[in-house]
Amino acid sequence: EAQVTQNPRYLITVTGKKLTVTCSQNMNHEYMSWYRQDPGLGLRQIYYSMNVEVTDKGDVPEGYKVSRKEKRNFPLILESPSPNQTSLYFCASTPDTNTEAFFGQGTRLTVV
Amino acid sequence: AQKVTQAQTEISVVEKEDVTLDCVYETRDTTYYLFWYKQPPSGELVFLIRRNSFDEQNEISGRYSWNFQKSTSSFNFTITASQVVDSAVYFCALSRPPSYRDDKIIFGKGTRLHILP
Repeated sequence: EAQVTQNPRYLITVTGKKLTVTCSQNMNHEYMSWYRQDPGLGLRQIYYSMNVEVTDKGDVPEGYKVSRKEKRNFPLILESPSPNQTSLYFCASTPDTNTEAFFGQGTRLTVV
Repeated sequence: AQKVTQAQTEISVVEKEDVTLDCVYETRDTTYYLFWYKQPPSGELVFLIRRNSFDEQNEISGRYSWNFQKSTSSFNFTITASQVVDSAVYFCALSRPPSYRDDKIIFGKGTRLHILP
């Protein structure tokens, strides 16, 4: 089954404690991206990657890191989480930007 | 710069009424792509439709229809005879061709649709 898998689904952490949210897709897609969803702000792109070892900043990259060492994986790293990063995060993959995106189930992160 | 505006933050209609969700976009590209996604209360994001800038034909899929008008930079979504299961947040999105630089996918802020029984 074609899917994008994010882990964990829910996470509560403390300010400053590094964390990684994993994202994996099994569709051999080139393009992967991370979004955060906040009330009233919709979906905002954090980072995206057109291919292995190619990553670019989206609209809200501050406080986040990503890596793309393999085509299937695109982890989101918060080196020092802060409460303003409390949000619902989605990973997505697509063959390229002109086709539909497949989204993971979301990760609800709370930073206290 | 690219931008997507969904001016309707929240809409409530009674079941069986028709409802239109507005989407207005801004881009300087001649080639671009428009999308609609649905986010039901369960939270997942579901693809509904994709349209490229050269295809202005309206599309109908069951009770759903989409009206793309380049002259007004709009890509509106209409649900006919709405049902409670249509209750969701709907997002409009815009993207550039893969060969372009700065190939972000831009989403609108979404419209929360409530269908009242």
